[in-house]
Amino acid sequence: DAGITQSPRHKVTETGTPVTLRCHQTENHRYMYWYRQDPGHGLRLIHYSYGVKDTDKGEVSDGYSVSRSKTEDFLLTLESATSSQTSVYFCAISDSSTDTQYFGPGTRLTVL
Amino acid sequence: QQQVKQSPQSLIVQKGGISIINCAYENTAFDYFPWYQQFPGKGPALLIAIRPDVSEKKEGRFTISFNKSAKQFSLHIMDSQPGDSATYFCAPSGNEKLTFGTGTRLTIIP
Repeated sequence: DAGITQSPRHKVTETGTPVTLRCHQTENHRYMYWYRQDPGHGLRLIHYSYGVKDTDKGEVSDGYSVSRSKTEDFLLTLESATSSQTSVYFCAISDSSTDTQYFGPGTRLTVL
Repeated sequence: QQQVKQSPQSLIVQKGGISIINCAYENTAFDYFPWYQQFPGKGPALLIAIRPDVSEKKEGRFTISFNKSAKQFSLHIMDSQPGDSATYFCAPSGNEKLTFGTGTRLTIIP
């Protein structure tokens, strides 16, 4: 899986609680991305990073924040989880020299 | 705003047949046209991709056909096998950001 790990792999939480998902890479790639995958929507970009401390919003960023303090780690935070954020979350990385993105194994998040 | 339209939503093909999945896009700034394959419980993985300077690319049983004027590209899987059963996504890209289609669930039956 191209040296990408995500943690946790599964999480069940309650509405209103904060949640942080972690993506860790060992490839030293510049770009990192967070997507959510929902039936009928494909994968939608939440936030992405183009370097340490450099991040930008994607298509569905409301309710999410990110941080990247080291090249290898990209954190996704749900400040106050809602049921609409129940989804499978994928992290991806990319070498800026190509457009190919390599995906992690995913985190299944359930918000009750 | 739906920038990428993928069809069909699901497809059943007999083993040995040809599977064809289509993708139409609106953004003329896209300059990279990949197809990703996803198995249940796994993340998507790049299957094959094309740049707009060529109209066709073949890798083994997989072929991308690209029509720039129609803003469409398609994936052809020849001699489809049960192991090809998966969900396929087109994901045209510009500026290192992919825009995913909604996916096609392909089932190959014996």
